[in-house]
Amino acid sequence: EVQLVESGGGLIQPGGSLRLSCAASGFTVSRNFMSWVRLAPGKGLEWVSALYSVGTTHYADSVKGRFTISRDNSKNTLYLQMNRLRAEDTAVYYCVTDLAGSDLLRGWGQGTLVTVSS
Amino acid sequence: DIQMTQSPSTLSASVGDTVTITCRASQSISKWLAWFQQKPGTAPKLLIYETSTLESGVPSRFGGSGSGTEFTLTISSLQPDDFATYYCQQYNSYWTFGQGTKVEIK
Repeated sequence: EVQLVESGGGLIQPGGSLRLSCAASGFTVSRNFMSWVRLAPGKGLEWVSALYSVGTTHYADSVKGRFTISRDNSKNTLYLQMNRLRAEDTAVYYCVTDLAGSDLLRGWGQGTLVTVSS
Repeated sequence: DIQMTQSPSTLSASVGDTVTITCRASQSISKWLAWFQQKPGTAPKLLIYETSTLESGVPSRFGGSGSGTEFTLTISSLQPDDFATYYCQQYNSYWTFGQGTKVEIK
């Protein structure tokens, strides 16, 4: 069974750092397109970052230079390192993949909540 | 960057109605448009991709059309399970979502 389980969310002060994890099962993270998408309270969905199997990464302008997407092949886990956090980064963060070989946002985890507040 | 504009923001409808949601891209995205459904507290669900291709398991009352910059999602004979928020999303150049359309019970 294909499963994505996010963790690492929590309450963090502005300017702080947090690392989100997305543990995958039922497929190999390194062989598939992976992405992070967030949903801020009262707002709509926002794509955050993407990582292709070949290693290419992309970031939304709102997080470029502050967030880093990566993977640990031995742990079959995707990460999102979030630095210099701002109040506007408060959101549920979803790990997303597409096992059909494209870059659709097809399979979603349950999300992890990040709250940036003093 | 490509901007996506959805309308309306909120739509009130009754079970059995046919509803249409419109999505406009700030530049041509060819056919690279998807639609998602999201219910409170749950992850979004992919309904349609490549403008009109139904994801496996999605009921045939959902339909998508359009090309270039203008796209529509139509839900025929609205069912109780369909009351949710719907997002369009382009994937021609990176990924951008519309602001969402909440379909609520009239």
